[in-house]
Amino acid sequence: NAGVTQTPKFQVLKTGQSMTLQCAQDMNHNSMYWYRQDPGMGLRLIYYSASEGTTDKGEVPNGYNVSRLNKREFSLRLESAAPSQTSVYFCASSVGRWGYTFGSGTRLTVV
Amino acid sequence: ELKVEQNPLFLSMQEGKNYTIYCNYSTTSDRLYWYRQDPGKSLESLFVLLSNGAVKQEGRLMASLDTKARLSTLHITAAVHDLSATYFCAVDGRDNYGQNFVFGPGTRLSVLP
Repeated sequence: NAGVTQTPKFQVLKTGQSMTLQCAQDMNHNSMYWYRQDPGMGLRLIYYSASEGTTDKGEVPNGYNVSRLNKREFSLRLESAAPSQTSVYFCASSVGRWGYTFGSGTRLTVV
Repeated sequence: ELKVEQNPLFLSMQEGKNYTIYCNYSTTSDRLYWYRQDPGKSLESLFVLLSNGAVKQEGRLMASLDTKARLSTLHITAAVHDLSATYFCAVDGRDNYGQNFVFGPGTRLSVLP
């Protein structure tokens, strides 16, 4: 009953460093999403993948890239981290329109 | 563009009292979702409202949907401390960025003894 697994849970980066956030789901869901959560801003969509092999930009895609490696895995990459990317990142998956299952989140600090 | 608003954004209430959180959205949608988030934790699904007039209840929480008014309510009955959390509504914004949800800003609820 793992659901959606995100790694790492915490990360501190220096400005300009790169990193990849990993996400995997074991529910055979077609769609996967990356959101960021900032105080007072709710959740904002970065990228999503409606199905294996497809990815699309969300509301705030600048500074990020994604890869849908297979049906299970959807990764988010920061090529050159900036302090404005300090946030909590959530991966989620869904099937149909029955709602999302969220991962536990990654707390990223860019100094 | 779909926008989702919630009010209040902050709510402090005493145990035993009743209160309602409101979620308004700007364009037509027939499905609305409520999530709960405890501090430092992930989001947990509470309710999926599938049609106009839908009402769902779980314990002290009851959610309803009026698609004509573009309004959902989350009613809290006889609040207890364990309900302290942030509550988000989300609307299926299929017309925005494909199939995805647009979240409200959240209502931070504190239930005081």
